[in-house]
Amino acid sequence: KAGVTQTPRYLIKTRGQQVTLSCSPISGHRSVSWYQQTPGQGLQFLFEYFSETQRNKGNFPGRFSGRQFSNSRSEMNVSTLELGDSALYLCASSEGQGQWETQYFGPGTRLLVL
Amino acid sequence: GQNIDQPTEMTATEGAIVQINCTYQTSGFNGLFWYQQHAGEAPTFLSYNVLDGLEEKGRFSSFLSRSKGYSYLLLKELQMKDSASYLCARADFNKFYFGSGTKLNVKP
Repeated sequence: KAGVTQTPRYLIKTRGQQVTLSCSPISGHRSVSWYQQTPGQGLQFLFEYFSETQRNKGNFPGRFSGRQFSNSRSEMNVSTLELGDSALYLCASSEGQGQWETQYFGPGTRLLVL
Repeated sequence: GQNIDQPTEMTATEGAIVQINCTYQTSGFNGLFWYQQHAGEAPTFLSYNVLDGLEEKGRFSSFLSRSKGYSYLLLKELQMKDSASYLCARADFNKFYFGSGTKLNVKP
């Protein structure tokens, strides 16, 4: 099976702009989680989607949003970008059936906000 | 955060054994996961523990004590390619909380 894919891999934006990142999970996986990784804060959970519904949410401001489509692909949107949003954004997929399952990560999208 | 603590950095010699500790908040716990992340790459799954005890997978073993909120990852016969960050993650239902990671430097 193909792994988790994310597009784009690299992105440069300026403050105030908005950005949309895309994630395609492993075939058959219905859960997609998003994380932000920065050198200072490590990996932080943004939200998790399952069957087109947000099932879990981390402690990020409302500028961060996401959605999931019927084919389990997911998008994450950040509006009104701030310098501090510069980070590696990772998505991870799992089957989604159990209470906890191994998550498989994509290569990430590296976002730089200038 | 979820009070997941692990050492920031460790150094060990090729061929040696190293233990990376992780402590976490015990409430709402479902499972404890370990991931390896090489610089510039995505994390890859190593192991997970749900019950107390030791899980062995080749050169890697992971231990869990749920009552103490404590886990460790044991790497044996270290190789240069083991130089990476090792992330401890606590699973609370479908939410994963990651530690900041332990950067392991393996020296010849």
